[in-house]
Amino acid sequence: GDSVTQMEGPVTLSEEAFLTINCTYTATGYPSLFWYVQYPGEGLQLLLKATKADDKGSNKGFEATYRKETTSFHLEKGSVQVSDSAVYFCALLSYSGAGSYQLTFGKGTKLSVIP
Amino acid sequence: DTGVSQDPRHKITKRGQNVTFRCDPISEHNRLYWYRQTLGQGPEFLTYFQNEAQLEKSRLLSDRFSAERPKGSFSTLEIQRTEQGDSAMYLCASREETGELFFGEGSRLTVL
Repeated sequence: GDSVTQMEGPVTLSEEAFLTINCTYTATGYPSLFWYVQYPGEGLQLLLKATKADDKGSNKGFEATYRKETTSFHLEKGSVQVSDSAVYFCALLSYSGAGSYQLTFGKGTKLSVIP
Repeated sequence: DTGVSQDPRHKITKRGQNVTFRCDPISEHNRLYWYRQTLGQGPEFLTYFQNEAQLEKSRLLSDRFSAERPKGSFSTLEIQRTEQGDSAMYLCASREETGELFFGEGSRLTVL
C-alpha cells in the first residue's frame, strides 16, 4: 500500500537557521502531496501542497517541490523562527477505490527552534 | 467558530466501558474522515463518509468500533468494551468534493 517516510526527529535549530525535513513516498498512480503542521495544543493545519510532478508548494516561507523521479517532497525554509516550533507531517492523497480518497501520513517530525 | 469541532476534547474511562465521540464538520463539507493518532505516530485512517454513506473502513477499525453519520452532517465514533490499546487521539476531518482537508482539534481517549 501507499506509504510516507519522513526523517525522524526531534530536530533542534537556532533561530534563522536553514531547515530541511526529508520526505519520501511510495504510491501507485499520481498522488497529491501535502505538508501538515501541528502547533502545540492545536489541530493539524495544512501548510502547503503540490498536486503534480515538479509543482512547488509554498506558504509562510516554507517550500516543497514534488519530485517524481526521486519520489520525494522535502520541506525547506531558509530562516526558521521560534514560532515555527511544531510537529510537521508529510502526507499523500491517493484514490483508494469506490469513490474514496485517503490521506496517508508520515510519523511526523518535531521541530524545536531556540532563540 | 466555523471549523471542525469535536466533543469531548478529553475522555478518561475504565477498561471495558463504552465511549462515544462526536464530530461536527464544516457545514458545506460532504466528505468526513476519522483518524487515530498515537504518541509519536502520524494519523492513521479509520473510516470515511461521503454524505451519510460510509464508503471505506480501515482494518484498524475492529468490530468494537462503529461510526455513523445519520443525516450526512455530524458523525459519531463509538468504541465498545474499551481496551488500554484504544488510548489515542481521535481526529475528525472534513472537506468539500475537492480541496483541502480541515481537521478538528481531536478527542483524546485515555483508557485506565
